[in-house]
Amino acid sequence: NAGVTQTPKFQVLKTGQSMTLQCAQDMNHNSMYWYRQDPGMGLRLIYYSASEGTTDKGEVPNGYNVSRLNKREFSLRLESAAPSQTSVYFCASSEGSGYTFGSGTRLTVV
Amino acid sequence: QQQVKQSPQSLIVQKGGISIINCAYENTAFDYFPWYQQFPGKGPALLIAIRPDVSEKKEGRFTISFNKSAKQFSLHIMDSQPGDSATYFCAARRSGGYNKLIFGAGTRLAVHP
Repeated sequence: NAGVTQTPKFQVLKTGQSMTLQCAQDMNHNSMYWYRQDPGMGLRLIYYSASEGTTDKGEVPNGYNVSRLNKREFSLRLESAAPSQTSVYFCASSEGSGYTFGSGTRLTVV
Repeated sequence: QQQVKQSPQSLIVQKGGISIINCAYENTAFDYFPWYQQFPGKGPALLIAIRPDVSEKKEGRFTISFNKSAKQFSLHIMDSQPGDSATYFCAARRSGGYNKLIFGAGTRLAVHP
């Protein structure tokens, strides 16, 4: 019973490099989300996907892109990483009210 | 612009005591108010939630109190245990908003034996 799986768990990037954070859920949920967690700021929504084939911007979308590859997978891409994108990234899914979160990706941009 | 304000930032409670975390919101169009618990190195997990037509909800040692007129809600942890030491987030969902949650800044709770 995996729930929401995120890869990688840790990543260090140099400024300007690109990378994709992967997220997959096995609960057949329609909605998926990407949040970033920063000290003192809680979790802020980057992008979400209400259903397969749809994506929309959240509160802090600049510098990111997403792909809802199928119902299970929702990836987050950083095209040109910046130090301000150093954060812990969480993927979540939902069907109804409650979210199920993954265990996060800790990203450092140097 | 923080639509959900959470306090305190950190809290230390003795074992057996009551932990109280408060949240206030600004948008009257919110229709669902969950609390999430996060342990170090883990993702947040849903702890308890309330809808605005109810003033209180209790699940075991955890209680949400909701004051619609004051736009405030709080989490009470009775008989706090060291295993409750975690970061707690309140959140609110805008009605008709695709189940998008807006989170508070979080409260780091430490329960000392």
